[in-house]
Amino acid sequence: EAQVTQNPRYLITVTGKKLTVTCSQNMNHEYMSWYRQDPGLGLRQIYYSMNVEVTDKGDVPEGYKVSRKEKRNFPLILESPSPNQTSLYFCASSPGTGVHEQYFGPGTRLTVT
Amino acid sequence: RKEVEQDPGPFNVPEGATVAFNCTYSNSASQSFFWYRQDCRKEPKLLMSVYSSGNEDGRFTAQLNRASQYISLLIRDSKLSDSATYLCVVNKGGKLIFGTGTRLQVFP
Repeated sequence: EAQVTQNPRYLITVTGKKLTVTCSQNMNHEYMSWYRQDPGLGLRQIYYSMNVEVTDKGDVPEGYKVSRKEKRNFPLILESPSPNQTSLYFCASSPGTGVHEQYFGPGTRLTVT
Repeated sequence: RKEVEQDPGPFNVPEGATVAFNCTYSNSASQSFFWYRQDCRKEPKLLMSVYSSGNEDGRFTAQLNRASQYISLLIRDSKLSDSATYLCVVNKGGKLIFGTGTRLQVFP
């Protein structure tokens, strides 16, 4: 089944404790992206990747890192999480940029206390 | 001003009603447009792309007005299962910009 998976789905952590949210897609898509969704602000792009070893900042990259060592995986790293990073995070992939449908993962609900 | 603006709703309509949502975008260079549907606490999923000539998919009709920079979604014969948040999405230079969504609640 074609899909985007994220792990973990739910995470409660404390300020400053490094964490990684994994994202994997099995559709051989070049483009992958991370979004966060907050009430009243909609989906905002954190980072995106056009292909292996190619990543770029989105609208809200501060406090996040990403890597794209393999085509299928695009982990999101929070080196020192803070409470303002409490949010719902979505990973997405698509065969290209913009004009193509984006396929979203199920989301990761992160709470930083 | 937000790049993509939507009325947050909620729109509360009875089953069988026709309901329309509008969305405005600020960048006239925007290239392509979409409506996504998002159920509560779940991932967004593509509902339909929006073409310049307008397009229809069953009970759903999307229209684009480039001169006025707005996009619309019309839902006919609403079903209970249409209850969701509808996200207006604009492609600006290869990047998708999402509206905050319009919430629809269909009641029996």
